[in-house]
Order: sequence, then C-alpha cells, then structure tokens
Amino acid sequence: QQQVKQSPQSLIVQKGGISIINCAYENTAFDYFPWYQQFPGKGPALLIAIRPDVSEKKEGRFTISFNKSAKQFSLHIMDSQPGDSATYFCAASMRSSGNTPLVFGKGTRLSVIA
Amino acid sequence: DGGITQSPKYLFRKEGQNVTLSCEQNLNHDAMYWYRQDPGQGLRLIYYSQIVNDFQKGDIAEGYSVSREKKESFPLTVTSAQKNPTAFYLCASIPGGRGANVLTFGAGSRLTVL
Repeated sequence: QQQVKQSPQSLIVQKGGISIINCAYENTAFDYFPWYQQFPGKGPALLIAIRPDVSEKKEGRFTISFNKSAKQFSLHIMDSQPGDSATYFCAASMRSSGNTPLVFGKGTRLSVIA
Repeated sequence: DGGITQSPKYLFRKEGQNVTLSCEQNLNHDAMYWYRQDPGQGLRLIYYSQIVNDFQKGDIAEGYSVSREKKESFPLTVTSAQKNPTAFYLCASIPGGRGANVLTFGAGSRLTVL
C-alpha cells in the first residue's frame, strides 16, 4: 500500500516556466511534509518542508501548497532554471510521535530546458 | 565537516556473495536509516535504528541485515538471500527526539551484482 502518491513521474518545463509536482497522502496522522531534491549520483537533500497548520510556505522560488482536507500537497518551482533539473521526492511522517521514518513518494524527474 | 560517509561508492558482487556497505556519521545523530533506491520506485526503507543496539525492520528488510554497535556506525549487509540486490543504497540520519526535522543523507553506494 503506497502511503504517499506522487505525480507526475517525469516533467519537462521550459526555462522560466513554473514546475508543479503533486503528492497525495492517506494517513491523517502525518504531520510533517518535506520535499527532497536529488541530483544524479548524489543523496537527496532537504529542499523545503511544511506542517499541516499552514496552507503555504515559500522559500525563494520554491513554494509548498498544502490542502489538509484533500490530503494533498504540492511543490511549485517558479522561474524554473536548468540547474533545477533533478529528481524531486515528496515525503511524510509523524513527527509528533517521535522519529517515525519518512515515507517517500516515487519521485519526479524534472528537466528544465532552455 | 559534519556529515554522513558511505563506502564504497561503487561495489560489484558476484551472485551468492554477501557484501557490507559502510555508513558512518559524525553529526551525533541518534537515529540512522537505510533506504534502497530503484528507478521509478522512490526510496524504500530497509532498516532503521533509533538508538544503539536496537534496530527495526523497514518495508523491504528481507535479505538484509544491520548492526548498531556504535552511535556513529550503521553498516548494512546485503546477503545472498536478497534476490535482486542491484540498486543504489542510501544511508541517512536524524537527531533524536520528537520534532526533529531534517533527515540528512549520505552520497550513496551503488551495488551491482554480476
């Protein structure tokens, strides 16, 4: 049973465009939703994270939108650049219950073309 | 610099052999994790350990074993019982306690079975 569903599997965006990646979760006990960015041959690194008490969090060109009632959250990359080309993973966990392991989506491979 | 060191970066194994992947962290983190990454499959949890001398199975523990004799070290052994061991293996760690946020990953080890 996949607890976090991520889409699309791959995405091609023109330079300067908006990249949007969506995730849906099933477990209402999840209370921490991070996004990780991974470049080829490297380990993932935290990009941005949100808790369910806010509907949006913005850090530079990266924004997380969170819809608690729909159990969905999304990553928006504004003014996408070729350097943003990477694989992005959404994840979820129950931080308030201790360090339960993160459950990851299957990833989205983003390609930003000039 | 603080971080997670995984070795070797690349490893080739013949069928029927056990191999051990090393993971060392100098972040003073309490919890450590092993994930397996396959194309299109995301990150799947193999084992995790929240304290020394204790560890729990993740979603795909069959064919793997771990030990946690020291806080800094969490080696993963891929045994001959693992039917499809070719993959990218990622070690990660996180500070202990509730509310700890950022999961830090190593650079990964790529195992290929010949």
